[in-house]
Amino acid sequence: QSALTQPASVSGSPGQSITISCTGTSSDIGGYNYVSWYQQHPGKAPKVMIYDVSNRPSGVSNRFSGSKSGNTASLTISGLQAEDEADYYCSSYTSSSTVVFGGGTKLTVL
Amino acid sequence: EVQLVESGGGLVQPGGSLRLSCAASGFTVSSNYMSWVRQAPGKGLEWVSVIYSGGSTYYADSVKGRFTISRDNSKNTLYLQMNSLRAEDTAVYYCARDNYYFDSWGQGTLVTVSS
Repeated sequence: QSALTQPASVSGSPGQSITISCTGTSSDIGGYNYVSWYQQHPGKAPKVMIYDVSNRPSGVSNRFSGSKSGNTASLTISGLQAEDEADYYCSSYTSSSTVVFGGGTKLTVL
Repeated sequence: EVQLVESGGGLVQPGGSLRLSCAASGFTVSSNYMSWVRQAPGKGLEWVSVIYSGGSTYYADSVKGRFTISRDNSKNTLYLQMNSLRAEDTAVYYCARDNYYFDSWGQGTLVTVSS
């Protein structure tokens, strides 16, 4: 149950696009289309932004998009806004019927 | 409206026990997969356990044999029984509805393991 690998931090200016990667193995990301992404602001509970690799829940801005290639998933945020500054976590279902999270990425909007 | 409210956190000594509760409203716990996720202070999210609608349960290696997930259908409530607690179990514990992604979360309850 090793954690998925995410960059510790990313940054971008308002209006720009950024991409956060999430690397796992064939036993998690590579084996299932059950990759999800969560946004967490300080002191708040996480909020799902993307599920099943590329689906957006109702109410989530279409500036957020997800994709997957092999054992790596990606979250792209376009048209960066100040309110996007938060921690982001990827997650995947695994072959052991467990769930694994990434270590988290701190997004800074410059 | 879906709502999850955790309770039962607090300060406990190493080796002690604690039971967390998660009261659900707006949906039926027994008809859904339900998970516990924790977050140590200043750290990332860690999945802890899941109970399937059919009753099967799974655990993270870090808690296997010490924690037990269960539910009370009559109370529409999820539980996490935590035994043999260690300092590294200190965290905010969230319950979440699990559809192979966590679509609803509670506000969390803080568990502190310390002497």
